[in-house]
Amino acid sequence: NAGVTQTPKFQVLKTGQSMTLQCAQDMNHNSMYWYRQDPGMGLRLIYYSASEGTTDKGEVPNGYNVSRLNKREFSLRLESAAPSQTSVYFCASSEGRYTEAFFGQGTRLTVV
Amino acid sequence: KNQVEQSPQSLIILEGKNCTLQCNYTVSPFSNLRWYKQDTGRGPVSLTIMTFSENTKSNGRYTATLDADTKQSSLHITASQLSDSASYICVVRADYKLSFGAGTTVTVRA
Repeated sequence: NAGVTQTPKFQVLKTGQSMTLQCAQDMNHNSMYWYRQDPGMGLRLIYYSASEGTTDKGEVPNGYNVSRLNKREFSLRLESAAPSQTSVYFCASSEGRYTEAFFGQGTRLTVV
Repeated sequence: KNQVEQSPQSLIILEGKNCTLQCNYTVSPFSNLRWYKQDTGRGPVSLTIMTFSENTKSNGRYTATLDADTKQSSLHITASQLSDSASYICVVRADYKLSFGAGTTVTVRA
């Protein structure tokens, strides 16, 4: 029972490069989320997908795009990375929008 | 201003001792409050959930309290162990929206 799996675990990018963070869950959850965690701050919601086929912006969506590929997978794309996007990114999933969120192990991204 | 404030930011305790972490929130309307444990390099894992009508809930050596009137919650760790070293995050739900505290980092020393 893997739960929520994120790849990669670590990544270093140069300013302006693009990359996609992958997330997959095996709990048959409807809702999926992308958060970023910065020192001294609580997790902030980037984008979420309440159900397959839908995506919506969260608190801090600028500079990011998402794709809900199917019920299991939700990817986060940085089109042109900036140093301000240096952070730890967490994917999460929940059965519904009101139920417990389960988190992946995180992706530590550094943009130089 | 963050709607969920946690204190202290960090603390160090000796193995076997107790400690209490605080969470104050202004989130409204209140649905529930969870305490998560986040080990270094890992994602948060839920420890306990508190709803409006609950005052106290325990999960092993972890005991959470909630005062919905004053919008305060606490997490008490009894007889701390080295494995309790982690960040503890208070998360308050308002409808479908989650608000996260910045966390309290607990270090347990032998």
